Amino acid sequence: GAGVSQTPSNKVTEKGKYVELRCDPISGHTALYWYRQSLGQGPEFLIYFQGTGAADDSGLPNDRFFAVRPEGSVSTLKIQRTERGDSAVYLCASSDGTGPAYRQFFGPGTRLTVL
Amino acid sequence: LAKTTQPISMDSYEGQEVNITCSHNNIATNDYITWYQQFPSQGPRFIIQGYKTKVTNEVASLFIPADRKSSTLSLPRVSLSDTAVYYCLGLSGAGSYQLTFGKGTKLSVIP
Repeated sequence: GAGVSQTPSNKVTEKGKYVELRCDPISGHTALYWYRQSLGQGPEFLIYFQGTGAADDSGLPNDRFFAVRPEGSVSTLKIQRTERGDSAVYLCASSDGTGPAYRQFFGPGTRLTVL
Repeated sequence: LAKTTQPISMDSYEGQEVNITCSHNNIATNDYITWYQQFPSQGPRFIIQGYKTKVTNEVASLFIPADRKSSTLSLPRVSLSDTAVYYCLGLSGAGSYQLTFGKGTKLSVIP
């Protein structure tokens, strides 16, 4: 079946602009995660959804970052007033449950470049 | 969550067995050890997970000694396509189950 997909694959924007990044999880997966990966680093947790609600948003760096999952499937990560430091690969992952028994499946990521 | 330490990089020739050791001195009772693999321009991919002793699947083996303060990922007979970054993570048995990645080990397989 289809894996996790993310669009766009690349996004170039100018400092101060607003961007939206989309994640389509594996069908039926209830848990959805967003991570951010900077060059040479491992992915860093941003936010976790269980169904439609954000169960843990402790990784969001500041209030410019926001994410939604209104119908419990597709999720959108929104970044306002982008800064050059926001440049990174944004990864989405989904799983069909939570806990060690449920592995997370990652998408290919969206590479965001803020000029 | 367990803080993990692993080598920054390793080189291996094709066909050899590769062992990557990870230290996790402060692992908690309900933490699992999980390994992910990441190729360039791709998201991480689950390899294997264990709690104690030995786990084996079609890709790798994971050895965890009784004190659980370290673990070793074993890749049999590596090929060029195994060149990737390998992450060792301590996965909590409670909470949001977010994955906490370090910098990982960059494995380079040489022909």
